[in-house]
Amino acid sequence: GAGVSQSPRYKVAKRGQDVALRCDPISGHVSLFWYQQALGQGPEFLTYFQNEAQLDKSGLPSDRFFAERPEGSVSTLKIQRTQQEDSAVYLCASSLSREQYFGPGTRLTVT
Amino acid sequence: DAKTTQPTSMDCAEGRAANLPCNHSTISGNEYVYWYRQIHSQGPQYIIHGLKNNETNEMASLIITEDRKSSTLILPHATLRDTAVYYCIVRVEGYGGSQGNLIFGKGTKLSVKP
Repeated sequence: GAGVSQSPRYKVAKRGQDVALRCDPISGHVSLFWYQQALGQGPEFLTYFQNEAQLDKSGLPSDRFFAERPEGSVSTLKIQRTQQEDSAVYLCASSLSREQYFGPGTRLTVT
Repeated sequence: DAKTTQPTSMDCAEGRAANLPCNHSTISGNEYVYWYRQIHSQGPQYIIHGLKNNETNEMASLIITEDRKSSTLILPHATLRDTAVYYCIVRVEGYGGSQGNLIFGKGTKLSVKP
C-alpha cells in the first residue's frame, strides 16, 4: 500500500517568506509526528498529533512554527517569516502502534 | 529517554555480517531498544526492536546483553543497499504501544564495500 507522502519534496524560500509543508500519512494511522533534520544530524522531534489533537508541541523551535491536522489525516507544518536557520529536511512520520513510518521529507532551503 | 552511544562509522565487506554496537548503560527496565536506519535522501526506516530477549526478523537480528546495558544489531549478509546511517534508540513503551516521539542521536554510518 501507499506509504507516507510529503510535498513538496524541495522548497526554496527567500528569508521572510511563509512556507507550508504537507504530510499525507498512511491511511488509518492515528499518530503523526513532525521532525526536523539538519545536515549531518539525526532527526529532532517537533510535534505530535493523535488524530486531530496536537498532544505535544514541545519541540517547535519558535512561535513561527505552527502545525495542524484538522481532520485527523493530512497535516500541514507552516513556518512563518522563514530564517536561514530553518533550512533543513522536515520529516513526517505516522504510526498505528510501535513502528513509525517516515515519509521522504521536504528539503527546505532559505536563501 | 536514555542516551545511547554508537560508533561514528563502520565499514563492512559485501556479503559479510555487519555487527553494529550500541551502549545504553542507563536504560530503564521499561525501555525498549529500537533500531532505525536512514539511507541517503530517504526518511528513516524501522528495522527491529526488543526489550530483553534476542529478536530476529527478515531484516536483522538484535542481540541484547543480559544486563541490557548494550546491544548489537546484526545484518547477516550485508549488501551495498545496506549502506546507511543506523540509529539505536531507547524509549518507553506506553500501554497499547509506543506513542511518543523518537530521540535520535547521530547514529553509525555503515559503509558496505564491494
